[in-house]
Amino acid sequence: GDSVTQMEGPVTLSEEAFLTINCTYTATGYPSLFWYVQYPGEGLQLLLKATKADDKGSNKGFEATYRKETTSFHLEKGSVQVSDSAVYFCATGGGADGLTFGKGTHLIIQP
Amino acid sequence: NAGVTQTPKFRVLKTGQSMTLLCAQDMNHEYMYWYRQDPGMGLRLIHYSVGEGTTAKGEVPDGYNVSRLKKQNFLLGLESAAPSQTSVYFCASELGYEQYFGPGTRLTVT
Repeated sequence: GDSVTQMEGPVTLSEEAFLTINCTYTATGYPSLFWYVQYPGEGLQLLLKATKADDKGSNKGFEATYRKETTSFHLEKGSVQVSDSAVYFCATGGGADGLTFGKGTHLIIQP
Repeated sequence: NAGVTQTPKFRVLKTGQSMTLLCAQDMNHEYMYWYRQDPGMGLRLIHYSVGEGTTAKGEVPDGYNVSRLKKQNFLLGLESAAPSQTSVYFCASELGYEQYFGPGTRLTVT
């Protein structure tokens, strides 16, 4: 079945630092790829997605590019803020069979 | 438009007790899902439904049952709760490969 591997953290950065959270996947065919974000005490929210190779998803200053040759979908942001502190989940799949999630990366941004 | 709601928000059960978690969505989505979230495990799919009257097993279905009698509701049942079912449970609905999550139910089984 599908699987997703991501760095688990916690990742601690200072405000305005550059962020990269690595994500690699294994899946058959051409899956869609997603990043979800979970703020404390809340459910997950879709942050961005990409549905085919070389697509770049972007939202709120975050970006990720679907790299089929390296089976990766790394999340990046140029300048993080304290409000970006959350848990970030990489996921693959979608449709009837649901999503396969990575274990989540806890991001802590210090002022 | 409330999105996806879950009832209750918190619950404590004793081993062997039963309960039902309710998920409701007002977006007219066909697909609905139940996940559990455990520390260091991410989210794992328990059961899902692709439409009213249909259900299917996910990755970790044992010890749970579900029903989708109405399109807007997806119920998750625990017939005989075990401590291993202590977790946070999330319901989601999907449209166009985007899943919309409820706020979660924190269940503790003692």
